[in-house]
Amino acid sequence: SQQGEEDPQALSIQEGENATMNCSYKTSINNLQWYRQNSGRGLVHLILIRSNEREKHSGRLRVTLDTSKKSSSLLITASRAADTASYFCATDAAGGKLIFGQGTELSVKP
Amino acid sequence: GAGVSQTPSNKVTEKGKYVELRCDPISGHTALYWYRQSLGQGPEFLIYFQGTGAADDSGLPNDRFFAVRPEGSVSTLKIQRTERGDSAVYLCASSLTGGITGNTIYFGEGSWLTVV
Repeated sequence: SQQGEEDPQALSIQEGENATMNCSYKTSINNLQWYRQNSGRGLVHLILIRSNEREKHSGRLRVTLDTSKKSSSLLITASRAADTASYFCATDAAGGKLIFGQGTELSVKP
Repeated sequence: GAGVSQTPSNKVTEKGKYVELRCDPISGHTALYWYRQSLGQGPEFLIYFQGTGAADDSGLPNDRFFAVRPEGSVSTLKIQRTERGDSAVYLCASSLTGGITGNTIYFGEGSWLTVV
């Protein structure tokens, strides 16, 4: 079963614009991770944010976490065509296993 | 190894046949995970190993699915009497330790299984 839900399901933007994806989840978590998946490929880890953190940055990525609202957002700034991929949030609730959302399909047009 | 390695990368099998999918985790990683991903969906958890033992197998859909990790390194996911609904990408992942430590979980490229 899926724990998280991403919003929007699909997002299309122009190169240079910012892309924001949201994730909501249902149960308490230890941490939340964001992954990227190019079509037909495996998942690539982007960033991990712990339940006691509110914001984290990595290069052009900014992740926020609001545990009171059980939600997280991933912001990609100054997007590039190469950022085109599916993006998934995954929550680590207990035992170390990750529960994934349905994903947001991002298309960045050159 | 440099990353999580999965074989075969693609497998086409007939309905009713037996299939084995292999995963070679990153060297030194004690935790190993199997996920299944259908088209347009997020990965679904199947089973998680800590060392040689299955710490959580609550995601295995039925008794046709079984996984082993006899020496705490390589793992094999076994599917008996395959059905067309088993067609999916089977993803393996590993992390340095499991539990609630929040270690990064690294994924392989997946094994694409098609049951015809």
